[in-house]
Amino acid sequence: DAKTTQPPSMDCAEGRAANLPCNHSTISGNEYVYWYRQIHSQGPQYIIHGLKNNETNEMASLIITEDRKSSTLILPHATLRDTAVYYCIVRLRTSGTYKYIFGTGTRLKVLA
Amino acid sequence: NAGVTQTPKFRILKIGQSMTLQCTQDMNHNYMYWYRQDPGMGLKLIYYSVGAGITDKGEVPNGYNVSRSTTEDFPLRLELAAPSQTSVYFCASSSVGAGANVLTFGAGSRLTVL
Repeated sequence: DAKTTQPPSMDCAEGRAANLPCNHSTISGNEYVYWYRQIHSQGPQYIIHGLKNNETNEMASLIITEDRKSSTLILPHATLRDTAVYYCIVRLRTSGTYKYIFGTGTRLKVLA
Repeated sequence: NAGVTQTPKFRILKIGQSMTLQCTQDMNHNYMYWYRQDPGMGLKLIYYSVGAGITDKGEVPNGYNVSRSTTEDFPLRLELAAPSQTSVYFCASSSVGAGANVLTFGAGSRLTVL
């Protein structure tokens, strides 16, 4: 039922940019893309979201392709504390209600 | 502002026992969700609610029940605990609308069934 596809794992050197891709080819025109991360077994933490324009906040940048079928989360200067599982999510609307279905995410390991 | 509060944080159950996981949010969110996360896996949606008195099944509802009598509370009940229900359970809430609605998660409840 997941509407997003992500690579299962990635490594990144500390201090370098981490680029995490996500495919969401079935996204509808007015739905947002959300990114969360989960460190160990803590509750997932919101990172950023976007609709069609690129977005940036204090944590990350989000690049969304023009056709909106894929996006990339960028952590500009990865640190060891960014080691986590990153989830890309598109909200599903069924029968007028909304639900968020998580995929398996990308396990990012930041290497010293 | 507490956000989403889950209790208990840890619980060990024997097979066949029953228990309720509590979830409370203080953000006046209409939508609330229960997820489970098995070791090394992603989150699976169990049940969700769009407001008081309205609940619906998610991806993995079997073995669970929910109720939503108030906007703030969304308890998850396990009637006959089984080892397959050993997992970490997360409650989340969000506002509702056509725009962006960010999910806020609780810290989780770790349940072991022996």
